[in-house]
Amino acid sequence: DTAVSQTPKYLVTQMGNDKSIKCEQNLGHDTMYWYKQDSKKFLKIMFSYNNKELIINETVPNRFSPKSPDKAHLNLHINSLELGDSAVYFCASSQREPGLGTFGPGTRLLVL
Amino acid sequence: SQQGEEDPQALSIQEGENATMNCSYKTSINNLQWYRQNSGRGLVHLILIRSNEREKHSGRLRVTLDTSKKSSSLLITASRAADTASYFCATEKGGSEKLVFGKGTKLTVNP
Repeated sequence: DTAVSQTPKYLVTQMGNDKSIKCEQNLGHDTMYWYKQDSKKFLKIMFSYNNKELIINETVPNRFSPKSPDKAHLNLHINSLELGDSAVYFCASSQREPGLGTFGPGTRLLVL
Repeated sequence: SQQGEEDPQALSIQEGENATMNCSYKTSINNLQWYRQNSGRGLVHLILIRSNEREKHSGRLRVTLDTSKKSSSLLITASRAADTASYFCATEKGGSEKLVFGKGTKLTVNP
């Protein structure tokens, strides 16, 4: 059973389009995250939700909007995609302590 | 902002040898974590060491933390080909649930 799953695995789209990435965890964790890994492999946190409430919102463009319909899901919607949005986006979840968590397989986004 | 930085950037060893990777950071932290990422796969949490701990073991992994030097090391003993992956350190600052990752060390264990 996949603990943290993301869809789609790959996403190729044109500049200006709107796209969503979905994340689901079946671990019963309270906290979920979105990380961005750029071409240099550096991971940066974007958002963190705890029990459907936003607790971390790093300086990311307003074009990025997370949505958590329930504590098992954290989706990422991106409006007006730009070339610089190309990256691998990782969803993660944890219970109690951040870092003692589980990451999803990543979604590789390529904006043309 | 603080940033964990690993060195070396790449390490190639033979099976059975030990692999040591280092991580440095800039500001005070709550804890430091090491993650592993296999090519094309998600991150897997390996070990967490708190700021008041100096050394921690988990199986073939040994992590040390020197808060005075703001550095940590990850030692993998008796390496196996399956240990081939990228290893990232990540730091958590006090009062924040945010993790800051370094760029990683790419480890290749040759059979």
